[in-house]
Amino acid sequence: NAGVTQTPKFQVLKTGQSMTLQCAQDMNHNSMYWYRQDPGMGLRLIYYSASEGTTDKGEVPNGYNVSRLNKREFSLRLESAAPSQTSVYFCASSELTGAHLPQHFGDGTRLSIL
Amino acid sequence: AQSVTQPDIHITVSEGASLELRCNYSYGATPYLFWYVQSPGQGLQLLLKYFSGDTLVQGIKGFEAEFKRSQSSFNLRKPSVHWSDAAEYFCAVGAGQAGTALIFGKGTTLSVSS
Repeated sequence: NAGVTQTPKFQVLKTGQSMTLQCAQDMNHNSMYWYRQDPGMGLRLIYYSASEGTTDKGEVPNGYNVSRLNKREFSLRLESAAPSQTSVYFCASSELTGAHLPQHFGDGTRLSIL
Repeated sequence: AQSVTQPDIHITVSEGASLELRCNYSYGATPYLFWYVQSPGQGLQLLLKYFSGDTLVQGIKGFEAEFKRSQSSFNLRKPSVHWSDAAEYFCAVGAGQAGTALIFGKGTTLSVSS
């Protein structure tokens, strides 16, 4: 039972390069999320998708784009990477979007921008 | 605005000793509250959740948490800590609106000494 799978696990980019982080879940969840985790900051929501075909901005969306490819997959794209985007990125999913529903997390993508 | 505060950045506990991690929230209505644990290099795993009813909730791995509305707190406890409990712990509140379903605290790192 894989749950939420993120690829790649590690990536190093140069400033200005582009990159797509992939996320897939096998729990038939409707809602998916992208967070970034920085030291001392906890997790901050970048974008979310309440259901297939919809996406919305979270707390820190600048510099990112997302695509909900189908019900299983939700990708995060950095069009022109900046050092400030060095972070650990987590994808999560939940059955529906709702404050009472727990989210299930992938193992993260560790991204360094030089 | 909704917020979560974890006052302790780092706590060290002796193996076998009891543990309490503090969490305070700010939210106008009845909150949905969660505790997650993150082991090094891993994603977040749900420990327990509170929605309503009994204010003392039991979770996995021997953890429990108590919701105290008067103190706006949701502290995590464990009677006897094991070395494998060393990890980072995040408190989160469900904000009740789509897309901001979880607001995380900045985390508490637990170290266990022998």
